[in-house]
Amino acid sequence: DQQVKQNSPSLSVQEGRISILNCDYTNSMFDYFLWYKKYPAEGPTFLISISSIKDKNEDGRFTVFLNKSAKHLSLHIVPSQPGDSAVYFCAARYNTNAGKSTFGDGTTLTVKP
Amino acid sequence: DTEVTQTPKHLVMGMTNKKSLKCEQHMGHRAMYWYKQKAKKPPELMFVYSYEKLSINESVPSRFSPECPNSSLLNLHLHALQPEDSALYLCASSQPSQGMDDEQYFGPGTRLTVT
Repeated sequence: DQQVKQNSPSLSVQEGRISILNCDYTNSMFDYFLWYKKYPAEGPTFLISISSIKDKNEDGRFTVFLNKSAKHLSLHIVPSQPGDSAVYFCAARYNTNAGKSTFGDGTTLTVKP
Repeated sequence: DTEVTQTPKHLVMGMTNKKSLKCEQHMGHRAMYWYKQKAKKPPELMFVYSYEKLSINESVPSRFSPECPNSSLLNLHLHALQPEDSALYLCASSQPSQGMDDEQYFGPGTRLTVT
């Protein structure tokens, strides 16, 4: 049973446009969500996170939106840049199970110049 | 220094070999993790150490043996592995989760091939 799902394996956008990456989860106990970016031959890098007490968190070009009722979160990148091309993983955890993050399968984002 | 280092970068071993993967961080993080990642799959948690004590073992076979000699080092000892254990092994560190700011810092991984 996959508790965190990223249903789009890949996404291609034009430079300067918005990239929207989606993530759905099934475990209502999750209370903290993170996005990681991974380049080939490197480990994942933390991007941005959101607590379940918020519905939006913004950091520069990156914004994460959380819809708890729909058990859905999304990562918006505006404007998209070619250097954003990478695999993006959504992860979720709950505070009483500290340290254990469950990852989605990842979405490969390609930003075309 | 926000870097997690892992050695070796690549490792090829036979099924009867004994080898170790090493991970090091100097960020003062007191939680360290081992993940296994297969191609086109997400990282799968194997072990978590918190304050040098094993806090999570995700039912990993005993042919994988973790060790945390001190707060900066994490080892993964490998013995009698199977070809299906071939994967990228990622180490990560973070502050132990007390609140919300526990994003993990990942190393580049060790690419392990079992022949």
